[in-house]
Amino acid sequence: RKEVEQDPGPFNVPEGATVAFNCTYSNSASQSFFWYRQDCRKEPKLLMSVYSSGNEDGRFTAQLNRASQYISLLIRDSKLSDSATYLCVALGTGGFKTIFGAGTRLFVKA
Amino acid sequence: DAGVIQSPRHEVTEMGQEVTLRCKPISGHNSLFWYRQTMMRGLELLIYFNNNVPIDDSGMPEDRFSAKMPNASFSTLKIQPSEPRDSAVYFCASSRQNNSPLHFGNGTRLTVT
Repeated sequence: RKEVEQDPGPFNVPEGATVAFNCTYSNSASQSFFWYRQDCRKEPKLLMSVYSSGNEDGRFTAQLNRASQYISLLIRDSKLSDSATYLCVALGTGGFKTIFGAGTRLFVKA
Repeated sequence: DAGVIQSPRHEVTEMGQEVTLRCKPISGHNSLFWYRQTMMRGLELLIYFNNNVPIDDSGMPEDRFSAKMPNASFSTLKIQPSEPRDSAVYFCASSRQNNSPLHFGNGTRLTVT
């Protein structure tokens, strides 16, 4: 079993739609979680951290469910510019070993 | 602030040649990571350092790969000899401390023919 698993998609949604991604992690000792965004032929860039109580940043909401060992990302009012690959990240024991999921591809269409 | 700096941006080499990838982390960051990304395998963690010391190199594919971090501002990833299956984008990333997010360099796109 992979340490971090995501649905690869692709998710094809119209502008203005709400879309949600889930990600599961296998290491119950993981303490820190993040969502990254990666555009084609670019490096991954931090989108947002994921806090235990859930957190929101504009149109983006991240949630953590420790009991079920998954994190989620909700994007409201999708924009064309949201088209990218979204990578979830879990840090291993000690907070250093940073494992990325394979990514979920999102295409937002006009 | 300068981000993570990697060089070269592109490298094309022939099978059997030695390849050296370079990385300068963000000043003040004490952890450094090397990743490899391919379409088939996604983003794979190769090795990471904390305070210049290698902590976990279990992701290094084989003995042909080696990484060093002689000081806090420089790291290298070396492949000797290179093979066509090593073709990938290699990313270096750094973080300030444990449990902190990573900041990535632009990557080195390696092609081995």
